[in-house]
Amino acid sequence: EPEVTQTPSHQVTQMGQEVILRCVPISNHLYFYWYRQILGQKVEFLVSFYNNEISEKSEIFDDQFSVERPDGSNFTLKIRSTKLEDSAMYFCASSETGHSSNQPQHFGDGTRLSIL
Amino acid sequence: GQNIDQPTEMTATEGAIVQINCTYQTSGFNGLFWYQQHAGEAPTFLSYNVLDGLEEKGRFSSFLSRSKGYSYLLLKELQMKDSASYLCAVRGSGGYQKVTFGIGTKLQVIP
Repeated sequence: EPEVTQTPSHQVTQMGQEVILRCVPISNHLYFYWYRQILGQKVEFLVSFYNNEISEKSEIFDDQFSVERPDGSNFTLKIRSTKLEDSAMYFCASSETGHSSNQPQHFGDGTRLSIL
Repeated sequence: GQNIDQPTEMTATEGAIVQINCTYQTSGFNGLFWYQQHAGEAPTFLSYNVLDGLEEKGRFSSFLSRSKGYSYLLLKELQMKDSASYLCAVRGSGGYQKVTFGIGTKLQVIP
């Protein structure tokens, strides 16, 4: 069964540095997402991406964050000037369709980001 | 805004049936999802409801009442591997893809 793959599985970075989290969505999917989950807390929506542009973003997704689809397969989340509170598990997800659909979002295994 | 409530923890016995409730208050409604999440792993899709009623899928069933802002996930013939967190998530009308998750219900299945 096709999977969403994320790399790296664990990223350790010094506060203030930039990180890029990588995702390869399922190949025939058109909608891509980033979520984060701080340890012990709920999964939080960050951003959705369709047709090479952001379609929605949450209040968490401020100027510190950006997303990109640099080629036909990768979907990246960049976090600039990382802060301690950015430490979390970051999940990438993709879905075949979006609105008014029972197509679920398929999640990758996540990247655990640790900011020191 | 979006508010999703579900119990934080439940315990049930292997072989039994357990019902996990979820209530929501959202600005509009475009579907409710249930996901399973084992500790340290990604959420995996279980079910989707957009119309009132019961959706059955093997040992798992999910019910929705839109007028009451209420859903439940029913797990039958519990197995030890069902020990996990169960996440209720709602897609509101504020956007087409944004899904708001509840905190999750941590289910422990005991022998």
